Amino acid sequence: EDQVTQSPEALRLQEGESSSLNCSYTVSGLRGLFWYRQDPGKGPEFLFTLYSAGEEKEKERLKATLTKKESFLHITAPKPEDSATYLCAVRAGGYSTLTFGKGTMLLVSP
Amino acid sequence: EPEVTQTPSHQVTQMGQEVILRCVPISNHLYFYWYRQILGQKVEFLVSFYNNEISEKSEIFDDQFSVERPDGSNFTLKIRSTKLEDSAMYFCASSQIAGASGANVLTFGAGSRLTVL
Repeated sequence: EDQVTQSPEALRLQEGESSSLNCSYTVSGLRGLFWYRQDPGKGPEFLFTLYSAGEEKEKERLKATLTKKESFLHITAPKPEDSATYLCAVRAGGYSTLTFGKGTMLLVSP
Repeated sequence: EPEVTQTPSHQVTQMGQEVILRCVPISNHLYFYWYRQILGQKVEFLVSFYNNEISEKSEIFDDQFSVERPDGSNFTLKIRSTKLEDSAMYFCASSQIAGASGANVLTFGAGSRLTVL
């Protein structure tokens, strides 16, 4: 069974204080690892797809990296508007379904 | 930017009642999904739908659930006889590309919160 574990569950940062969120996964035949952002009361909003170990993608203050066992979402000099829950999901095998982790709730204080 | 639209945003119902949640996927998307998120838990897959039939479904999607695309724009999730444990946020999603490819990126709606009393 595919498993996705995210840590920490919650993270509180000061504005400008860089940090990383972790997503570790156990799957058979990874087809893609996805990062989504979810604001309270809203649906997940797509950020990145990573396909293979060593791949990196960037968007503004966010950078996602992938190894064979985990992915990191690095947040550089965060701002209060980066506060959200960040979800990691994997697609594996021959299925189109996404298996999500529980997410990391990020709060950035001014 | 195109978006997935869901109605209602919140529905309160009595246990045993039927509920229909509605979704308007992005217009050029051909693949549709329902996920749910019980408060404090993971987002969980329910069902995927393409070409007017179910492609995949999870163990959660039992005989109490059904999906339909009644016309060219709407995609619905019906729960026949709601239970307390059906209380959750239900997300509709759509995508242009199907299948196991990493290029299959889902766009989610804002969700319909279902409260079963």
